[in-house]
Amino acid sequence: GAGVSQSPRYKVAKRGQDVALRCDPISGHVSLFWYQQALGQGPEFLTYFQNEAQLDKSGLPSDRFFAERPEGSVSTLKIQRTQQEDSAVYLCASSLVSGLNGRAFFGQGTRLTVV
Amino acid sequence: TQLLEQSPQFLSIQEGENLTVYCNSSSVFSSLQWYRQEPGEGPVLLVTVVTGGEVKKLKRLTFQFGDARKDSSLHITAAQPGDTGLYLCAGAKAAGNKLTFGGGTRVLVKP
Repeated sequence: GAGVSQSPRYKVAKRGQDVALRCDPISGHVSLFWYQQALGQGPEFLTYFQNEAQLDKSGLPSDRFFAERPEGSVSTLKIQRTQQEDSAVYLCASSLVSGLNGRAFFGQGTRLTVV
Repeated sequence: TQLLEQSPQFLSIQEGENLTVYCNSSSVFSSLQWYRQEPGEGPVLLVTVVTGGEVKKLKRLTFQFGDARKDSSLHITAAQPGDTGLYLCAGAKAAGNKLTFGGGTRVLVKP
């Protein structure tokens, strides 16, 4: 596809369940970012990959959050033992170049609701 | 504590009116970006400003970066219903890997 694709678009999880959110970046994009957007708020940074290397994970809120990008393309954000405060839209973005030197293109997001 | 404060949080105006959205911080940013986000979609980049005092125009939208690179404004002239959306400012630090977003300003332009 031409843009960043995220799946699923919507996910409802029972508290305590594990979830996995997928991001397909634009082909060839070096940088991949994950952000969390709570209802009515701006996005907050979670983590950054340059190719397969996770260079910054300072925004991950707890050790229940884990992200990977093993082959430098598709990325998965995993949340273990989900809590109600994890309910948010999870946005993925990719950029052709490293860091913030290029334009970031955002996906449509995955809306996670923990019940 | 929001590093970037946007005001107002919500703005409702009639088609044809002008509006200004503000983005303020006590921190200096190497660049600042403005995005528009529509319901169910990701943010879409409108503009990036990098130089203190810089003014950029995009059709009816005018963006300004403060001289000290701590604040920015977005002005829309003769707003149209298609301008409706959530406007987000986001700052980047030199050599950083993350954008710091403001809380957003929800704009509603009524026909």
